[in-house]
Amino acid sequence: NAGVMQNPRHLVRRRGQEARLRCSPMKGHSHVYWYRQLPEEGLKFMVYLQKENIIDESGMPKERFSAEFPKEGPSILRIQQVVRGDSAAYFCASSPGSSNYEQYFGPGTRLTVT
Amino acid sequence: GENVEQHPSTLSVQEGDSAVIKCTYSDSASNYFPWYKQELGKGPQLIIDIRSNVGEKKDQRIAVTLNKTAKHFSLHITETQPEDSAVYFCAAPPGGSYIPTFGRGTSLIVHP
Repeated sequence: NAGVMQNPRHLVRRRGQEARLRCSPMKGHSHVYWYRQLPEEGLKFMVYLQKENIIDESGMPKERFSAEFPKEGPSILRIQQVVRGDSAAYFCASSPGSSNYEQYFGPGTRLTVT
Repeated sequence: GENVEQHPSTLSVQEGDSAVIKCTYSDSASNYFPWYKQELGKGPQLIIDIRSNVGEKKDQRIAVTLNKTAKHFSLHITETQPEDSAVYFCAAPPGGSYIPTFGRGTSLIVHP
């Protein structure tokens, strides 16, 4: 049973470019959560999605950031016009349903903005 | 919202010793408390969790205790081994939410 998959594992972008981070949840899981982790800090919630729905985006900046989880394919976190402050590790987690607290994390994407 | 405090930020022990990491939370309606282990360059891994209807849960060398009155919960690792070295995070979703607030993490170093 494959775990949560994320790609790419490392991503380097110049200031002003776009970054696209992908997350495939565990098999049978329909809920995806995105978190950001800065060095030596805990994880900060960004957005919670179900298939074709954004449930909670209260942790995601209003500008430049967007997320989707289409009916087919992975969830995508998109960061437009990246700035140096966007450099961080981005993790996604999945859970089987809204009644289940247990979240299983992927290996993360480390974004570096030069 | 939920506020989660975690202590200590760094914990250094000798192999075979016990390690205890403590967290406090602010929302008395919180009822699920997971602990995650994060190794260098990897994602957090759920290692144990506890719900508010029990006070303690054990899984081999790992245990979690919960004091709902005092609003704190602790991770206990006995007979530590070098492979236990990692960053440990506690978390707690506020009441009515599945989205956890994480502590800032404890870097555990187990010296052989």
